[in-house]
Amino acid sequence: GNSVTQMEGPVTLSEEAFLTINCTYTATGYPSLFWYVQYPGEGLQLLLKATKADDKGSNKGFEATYRKETTSFHLEKGSVQVSDSAVYFCALIVAGGTSYGKLTFGQGTILTVHP
Amino acid sequence: DTEVTQTPKHLVMGMTNKKSLKCEQHMGHRAMYWYKQKAKKPPELMFVYSYEKLSINESVPSRFSPECPNSSLLNLHLHALQPEDSALYLCASSQDGAGGDTQYFGPGTRLTVL
Repeated sequence: GNSVTQMEGPVTLSEEAFLTINCTYTATGYPSLFWYVQYPGEGLQLLLKATKADDKGSNKGFEATYRKETTSFHLEKGSVQVSDSAVYFCALIVAGGTSYGKLTFGQGTILTVHP
Repeated sequence: DTEVTQTPKHLVMGMTNKKSLKCEQHMGHRAMYWYKQKAKKPPELMFVYSYEKLSINESVPSRFSPECPNSSLLNLHLHALQPEDSALYLCASSQDGAGGDTQYFGPGTRLTVL
Protein backbone atom coordinates (compact mmCIF):
# COMPACT_ATOMS: atom_id res chain seq x y z
CA GLY A 1 0.00 0.00 0.00
CA ASN A 2 0.86 3.68 0.00
CA SER A 3 2.20 5.59 3.00
CA VAL A 4 3.73 8.95 3.87
CA THR A 5 6.04 9.61 6.80
CA GLN A 6 6.65 13.15 8.02
CA MET A 7 9.11 14.32 10.61
CA GLU A 8 7.56 14.51 14.02
CA GLY A 9 6.67 17.90 15.35
CA PRO A 10 5.99 20.30 16.71
CA VAL A 11 8.64 22.46 15.12
CA THR A 12 9.35 25.82 16.77
CA LEU A 13 11.48 28.41 15.01
CA SER A 14 12.37 32.06 15.31
CA GLU A 15 11.39 34.44 12.53
CA GLU A 16 13.82 34.39 9.57
CA ALA A 17 15.12 30.91 10.46
CA PHE A 18 15.56 28.19 7.83
CA LEU A 19 12.84 25.55 7.69
CA THR A 20 13.03 21.92 6.66
CA ILE A 21 10.19 19.45 7.13
CA ASN A 22 11.14 15.96 6.03
CA CYS A 23 8.76 13.75 4.09
CA THR A 24 9.37 10.27 2.72
CA TYR A 25 6.93 7.98 1.00
CA THR A 26 6.23 4.49 -0.24
CA ALA A 27 3.89 3.96 -3.16
CA THR A 28 2.70 1.21 -5.46
CA GLY A 29 2.92 2.98 -8.77
CA TYR A 30 4.12 6.41 -9.74
CA PRO A 31 2.76 9.04 -7.35
CA SER A 32 2.16 12.75 -7.56
CA LEU A 33 3.35 14.52 -4.42
CA PHE A 34 1.84 17.45 -2.56
CA TRP A 35 2.32 19.74 0.38
CA TYR A 36 -0.85 21.13 1.92
CA VAL A 37 -0.97 23.78 4.65
CA GLN A 38 -3.72 24.24 7.22
CA TYR A 39 -3.88 27.54 9.10
CA PRO A 40 -5.70 27.57 12.45
CA GLY A 41 -9.46 27.17 12.03
CA GLU A 42 -9.25 26.75 8.26
CA GLY A 43 -9.37 24.06 5.59
CA LEU A 44 -6.41 22.67 3.67
CA GLN A 45 -4.70 24.83 1.07
CA LEU A 46 -2.50 23.41 -1.64
CA LEU A 47 0.97 24.82 -1.04
CA LEU A 48 2.90 23.12 -3.86
CA LYS A 49 3.05 19.94 -5.89
CA ALA A 50 5.29 17.85 -8.14
CA THR A 51 4.13 15.20 -10.55
CA LYS A 52 7.35 13.55 -11.73
CA ALA A 53 10.86 12.81 -10.58
CA ASP A 54 13.19 15.82 -10.22
CA ASP A 55 10.30 18.28 -10.50
CA LYS A 56 10.56 21.16 -8.04
CA GLY A 57 7.35 22.62 -6.68
CA SER A 58 7.50 26.14 -5.29
CA ASN A 59 5.12 28.71 -3.85
CA LYS A 60 5.30 31.62 -1.37
CA GLY A 61 9.02 30.98 -0.79
CA PHE A 62 8.50 27.28 -0.04
CA GLU A 63 10.16 24.62 -2.20
CA ALA A 64 10.18 20.84 -2.44
CA THR A 65 11.88 18.54 -4.96
CA TYR A 66 10.52 15.14 -5.98
CA ARG A 67 13.40 12.72 -5.33
CA LYS A 68 12.57 9.29 -6.67
CA GLU A 69 15.90 7.74 -5.68
CA THR A 70 15.38 8.62 -2.01
CA THR A 71 11.54 8.56 -2.15
CA SER A 72 11.47 11.97 -0.52
CA PHE A 73 9.73 15.33 -0.90
CA HIS A 74 11.20 17.55 1.82
CA LEU A 75 9.70 21.01 2.32
CA GLU A 76 12.10 23.97 2.71
CA LYS A 77 11.88 27.70 3.19
CA GLY A 78 14.84 29.98 3.57
CA SER A 79 13.33 32.51 5.97
CA VAL A 80 10.11 31.77 7.85
CA GLN A 81 7.63 34.37 9.06
CA VAL A 82 5.21 34.35 11.98
CA SER A 83 2.42 34.04 9.40
CA ASP A 84 3.82 30.64 8.33
CA SER A 85 2.68 29.13 11.63
CA ALA A 86 0.35 26.32 10.60
CA VAL A 87 0.10 22.55 10.18
CA TYR A 88 1.85 21.15 7.11
CA PHE A 89 0.74 17.89 5.49
CA CYS A 90 2.75 15.93 2.95
CA ALA A 91 0.55 13.78 0.71
CA LEU A 92 0.62 11.57 -2.35
CA ILE A 93 -1.82 10.23 -4.86
CA VAL A 94 -1.45 7.42 -7.38
CA ALA A 95 -3.72 7.36 -10.42
CA GLY A 96 -5.74 4.23 -11.06
CA GLY A 97 -5.71 0.89 -9.32
CA THR A 98 -7.18 0.23 -5.91
CA SER A 99 -6.03 3.58 -4.53
CA TYR A 100 -8.14 5.48 -7.06
CA GLY A 101 -8.88 9.01 -5.89
CA LYS A 102 -7.35 8.51 -2.46
CA LEU A 103 -4.91 11.03 -1.11
CA THR A 104 -2.53 9.45 1.36
CA PHE A 105 -1.48 11.97 4.02
CA GLY A 106 1.38 12.11 6.45
CA GLN A 107 0.53 12.79 10.07
CA GLY A 108 1.12 16.51 9.78
CA THR A 109 3.80 18.76 11.28
CA ILE A 110 2.84 21.68 13.47
CA LEU A 111 5.05 24.70 12.81
CA THR A 112 5.18 27.62 15.24
CA VAL A 113 7.24 30.67 14.35
CA HIS A 114 8.06 33.20 17.09
CA PRO A 115 8.90 36.87 16.45
CA ASP B 1 -9.99 30.28 -9.53
CA THR B 2 -9.58 27.23 -7.32
CA GLU B 3 -12.36 27.90 -4.86
CA VAL B 4 -14.49 25.33 -3.14
CA THR B 5 -17.16 26.75 -0.86
CA GLN B 6 -18.84 25.02 2.06
CA THR B 7 -21.84 25.92 4.17
CA PRO B 8 -22.46 26.25 7.00
CA LYS B 9 -19.12 27.15 8.57
CA HIS B 10 -20.23 25.88 11.97
CA LEU B 11 -23.03 23.49 12.91
CA VAL B 12 -24.23 22.31 16.31
CA MET B 13 -26.76 19.51 16.35
CA GLY B 14 -28.36 17.06 18.74
CA MET B 15 -28.24 13.33 18.26
CA THR B 16 -31.83 13.21 16.99
CA ASN B 17 -31.49 16.06 14.49
CA LYS B 18 -31.28 15.85 10.71
CA LYS B 19 -29.01 18.37 9.02
CA SER B 20 -27.11 18.75 5.76
CA LEU B 21 -23.71 20.06 4.77
CA LYS B 22 -23.31 21.70 1.40
CA CYS B 23 -20.32 22.00 -0.92
CA GLU B 24 -20.06 23.86 -4.21
CA GLN B 25 -17.39 24.34 -6.87
CA HIS B 26 -17.45 26.17 -10.17
CA MET B 27 -14.15 24.99 -11.60
CA GLY B 28 -15.74 22.42 -13.91
CA HIS B 29 -14.28 19.61 -11.82
CA ARG B 30 -15.93 16.22 -12.22
CA ALA B 31 -14.74 14.54 -9.02
CA MET B 32 -15.81 15.61 -5.55
CA TYR B 33 -14.87 14.27 -2.13
CA TRP B 34 -15.94 14.32 1.51
CA TYR B 35 -13.30 14.04 4.24
CA LYS B 36 -13.56 13.97 8.03
CA GLN B 37 -10.78 15.53 10.09
CA LYS B 38 -10.35 15.15 13.84
CA ALA B 39 -8.18 17.55 15.80
CA LYS B 40 -4.44 17.25 15.17
CA LYS B 41 -4.97 14.45 12.60
CA PRO B 42 -4.86 14.31 8.80
CA PRO B 43 -8.14 14.20 6.89
CA GLU B 44 -9.77 10.80 6.39
CA LEU B 45 -11.56 10.07 3.14
CA MET B 46 -15.28 9.29 3.44
CA PHE B 47 -16.79 9.40 -0.06
CA VAL B 48 -15.75 10.06 -3.66
CA TYR B 49 -18.08 11.07 -6.47
CA SER B 50 -16.84 10.84 -10.02
CA TYR B 51 -19.04 12.22 -12.82
CA GLU B 52 -21.88 12.46 -10.29
CA LYS B 53 -21.73 8.78 -9.41
CA LEU B 54 -20.57 7.46 -6.04
CA SER B 55 -17.30 5.67 -6.73
CA ILE B 56 -15.83 5.21 -3.25
CA ASN B 57 -17.52 4.74 0.13
CA GLU B 58 -14.89 4.15 2.80
CA SER B 59 -17.20 2.02 4.96
CA VAL B 60 -18.85 5.10 6.40
CA PRO B 61 -21.80 4.53 8.78
CA SER B 62 -25.23 4.97 7.18
CA ARG B 63 -25.99 7.95 9.40
CA PHE B 64 -23.89 9.85 6.83
CA SER B 65 -25.59 9.98 3.44
CA PRO B 66 -23.91 11.74 0.51
CA GLU B 67 -25.69 13.20 -2.48
CA CYS B 68 -24.42 14.75 -5.70
CA PRO B 69 -27.33 16.62 -7.35
CA ASN B 70 -25.16 17.91 -10.19
CA SER B 71 -21.53 18.28 -11.15
CA SER B 72 -21.09 21.46 -9.08
CA LEU B 73 -22.83 20.45 -5.87
CA LEU B 74 -22.16 17.89 -3.18
CA ASN B 75 -24.25 17.40 -0.06
CA LEU B 76 -23.73 15.35 3.07
CA HIS B 77 -26.92 14.50 4.92
CA LEU B 78 -26.56 13.82 8.63
CA HIS B 79 -28.99 11.88 10.81
CA ALA B 80 -28.79 10.38 14.29
CA LEU B 81 -25.15 11.31 14.73
CA GLN B 82 -23.06 10.47 17.77
CA PRO B 83 -20.85 12.83 19.79
CA GLU B 84 -17.77 11.10 18.34
CA ASP B 85 -18.85 12.36 14.91
CA SER B 86 -17.89 15.87 16.00
CA ALA B 87 -15.12 16.94 13.63
CA LEU B 88 -14.19 19.24 10.76
CA TYR B 89 -15.84 18.03 7.54
CA LEU B 90 -13.93 18.99 4.42
CA CYS B 91 -15.08 18.92 0.84
CA ALA B 92 -12.64 18.75 -2.06
CA SER B 93 -12.79 18.61 -5.83
CA SER B 94 -10.46 17.61 -8.66
CA GLN B 95 -10.41 17.85 -12.42
CA ASP B 96 -11.78 14.45 -13.27
CA GLY B 97 -12.25 11.00 -11.92
CA ALA B 98 -8.93 9.59 -13.11
CA GLY B 99 -7.76 9.63 -9.54
CA GLY B 100 -4.37 11.25 -9.88
CA ASP B 101 -5.37 14.89 -10.00
CA THR B 102 -4.77 17.70 -7.55
CA GLN B 103 -7.54 17.97 -4.98
CA TYR B 104 -8.64 21.45 -3.91
CA PHE B 105 -10.22 21.75 -0.49
CA GLY B 106 -12.93 23.97 0.91
CA PRO B 107 -12.73 25.74 4.29
CA GLY B 108 -14.70 23.02 6.04
CA THR B 109 -17.73 22.78 8.30
CA ARG B 110 -16.99 22.49 12.02
CA LEU B 111 -19.60 20.04 13.34
CA THR B 112 -20.42 19.60 17.02
CA VAL B 113 -22.80 16.82 18.06
CA LEU B 114 -24.29 17.23 21.52
